[in-house]
Amino acid sequence: GAVVSQHPSRVICKSGTSVKIECRSLDFQATTMFWYRQFPKQSLMLMATSNEGSKATYEQGVEKDKFLINHASLTLSTLTVTSAHPEDSSFYICSPQGAAKGTDTQYFGPGTRLTVL
Amino acid sequence: AQTVTQSQPEMSVQEAETVTLSCTYDTSESNYYLFWYKQPPSRQMILVIRQEAYKQQNATENRFSVNFQKAAKSFSLKISDSQLGDTAMYFCAFMTKTSGSRLTFGEGTQLTVNP
Repeated sequence: GAVVSQHPSRVICKSGTSVKIECRSLDFQATTMFWYRQFPKQSLMLMATSNEGSKATYEQGVEKDKFLINHASLTLSTLTVTSAHPEDSSFYICSPQGAAKGTDTQYFGPGTRLTVL
Repeated sequence: AQTVTQSQPEMSVQEAETVTLSCTYDTSESNYYLFWYKQPPSRQMILVIRQEAYKQQNATENRFSVNFQKAAKSFSLKISDSQLGDTAMYFCAFMTKTSGSRLTFGEGTQLTVNP
């Protein structure tokens, strides 16, 4: 397996504020980071893919100016939800990938539960 | 585009019995990987088992095994000797190398193991 951490695990914020979620790969270098969103009782939906040092590629329907992704190092990626609204309340999961762990299996962080009031 | 379908939203099984979760997929690719992930109430995604499409032998991991039917594009998961800790949401997932290792998930099957 792989050791992946996310911080915070839970966050509650007011509508209109911004929230930053950190994802760290603790035992390997993540050249690629996938960010997923999961609504209650639903499957994981890919939001964006980022490669270290490059701009993220967003899936159709995901606003790049609202969900800012930074992947400046091989062990840390951040997702910032800007001007959050109640409909952004969801479970956000990161999934780092690196050559040391193989590129044919993905591992996941423990997730961050975001609640926007 | 690849799609993954899990037709059983919910299933239940008695402890110590065997249960099979179904998954079908659609792709025009010939080289791909299939996975079953488990998501318990903690919501941590846990890899259960993986299958490489070019391997004809079905993958097994202890009590977990798959029935991979490539021509039928079917990838079912069999859980033997079910345990209470197997209670979780199970997701079937598909990945190709040409898709940049992106995973496509099915809708999930909620499995409940009853004592």
